Amino acid sequence: GQSLEQPSEVTAVEGAIVQINCTYQTSGFYGLSWYQQHDGGAPTFLSYNALDGLEETGRFSSFLSRSDSYGYLLLQELQMKDSASYFCAVRDRLDSTLTFGKGTMLLVSP
Amino acid sequence: DAGITQSPRHKVTETGTPVTLRCHQTENHRYMYWYRQDPGHGLRLIHYSYGVKDTDKGEVSDGYSVSRSKTEDFLLTLESATSSQTSVYFCAITRGGTSGTYSYNEQFFGPGTRLTVL
Repeated sequence: GQSLEQPSEVTAVEGAIVQINCTYQTSGFYGLSWYQQHDGGAPTFLSYNALDGLEETGRFSSFLSRSDSYGYLLLQELQMKDSASYFCAVRDRLDSTLTFGKGTMLLVSP
Repeated sequence: DAGITQSPRHKVTETGTPVTLRCHQTENHRYMYWYRQDPGHGLRLIHYSYGVKDTDKGEVSDGYSVSRSKTEDFLLTLESATSSQTSVYFCAITRGGTSGTYSYNEQFFGPGTRLTVL
């Protein structure tokens, strides 16, 4: 079956850097995505990696190693508004369906 | 925005009653999805559609049916609601994007429906 593992909770302080890891075991692999969800809101897309390496989007970066079935989301210069849940998701089929991890709750303190 | 709305936004119902949730999109996207989200489980795919009258099951499809008679509407039906179906339900569409490296498809989510089955 498909499985994605990510930590359930991470805490950090404002201005710090935090890394959220995701390991996956899926029957196929076409890309790894990251989504952010604030409490009570809808998930929103952050980033996507299909090839090995680092993708940077402002304060957020995402990394993928297909040989290790591993990726991470790096958040820099943390702000209080970054407190949210973060989900990794694998596109494991040629259609556009995704399998999501259970999410990591990030708590940013002053 | 992809112009996705969900209705109702909140619903309380009783065990054994039928419930239909509606997802409406205004941008002619081909793919539409229904997820449920429960604490400790993340987002789990219930059903999805890849065109009018074309649907397929997801990971947790038991107890749910869907219909898509028009491109813009994707309906999720609980034929006989159970307490285990108390959840937040999200509809999503797929839309394309590009990074500096490659093109990709992102899923864009509606605001969600909070369903409580008593």
